[in-house]
Amino acid sequence: NAGVTQTPKFQVLKTGQSMTLQCAQDMNHEYMSWYRQDPGMGLRLIHYSVGAGITDQGEVPNGYNVSRSTTEDFPLRLLSAAPSQTSVYFCASHAPSEGNTEAFFGQGTRLTVV
Amino acid sequence: DQQVKQNSPSLSVQEGRISILNCDYTNSMFDYFLWYKKYPAEGPTFLISISSIKDKNEDGRFTVFLNKSAKHLSLHIVPSQPGDSAVYFCAARANTGTASKLTFGTGTRLQVTL
Repeated sequence: NAGVTQTPKFQVLKTGQSMTLQCAQDMNHEYMSWYRQDPGMGLRLIHYSVGAGITDQGEVPNGYNVSRSTTEDFPLRLLSAAPSQTSVYFCASHAPSEGNTEAFFGQGTRLTVV
Repeated sequence: DQQVKQNSPSLSVQEGRISILNCDYTNSMFDYFLWYKKYPAEGPTFLISISSIKDKNEDGRFTVFLNKSAKHLSLHIVPSQPGDSAVYFCAARANTGTASKLTFGTGTRLQVTL
């Protein structure tokens, strides 16, 4: 019963490096999203996808790219890491039907950009 | 502009007593509200939700109350247990036609003492 799996759990990057945070879900959910959690800021939506091939920007999309080639996977790409992207990143999936908005979260990726 | 606000960053309650966590929102388009619980180094987990057409929803020790006129909701935990010590996030959903986006508050850290 994996649910939502995020890799890696921890990552340290140098400014300007690129990397991809992986997210996979096995619940056949159409809707997936990426959030970042910063002290005093709660969880803020970066990008989301309502199905394979469809993505859109959330509240804080700058510096991040996403793609959704399959229902299961929703990777988040940092093209040129900046210290401001130091954060904890959470991937989530849920079925956006009426009354069923419960989001299932992965365990998070703690990213430090130095 | 913080559309979902949790004005108390922390709360300490004795075991067996009631814990009341509060949340205020500003967006009248929110139609569904959720509470998530988060332990350190884990992803948030869904706790309880309420539709905007209701004013109360109960699940075991957890009850959520919604006051639409005041744009206020609260989570009651009775009786509080040490295992309830965690950060609690309030979240609200606004249907945008093609997607259901969740907006989170900044969280309240609950500590249940013996």
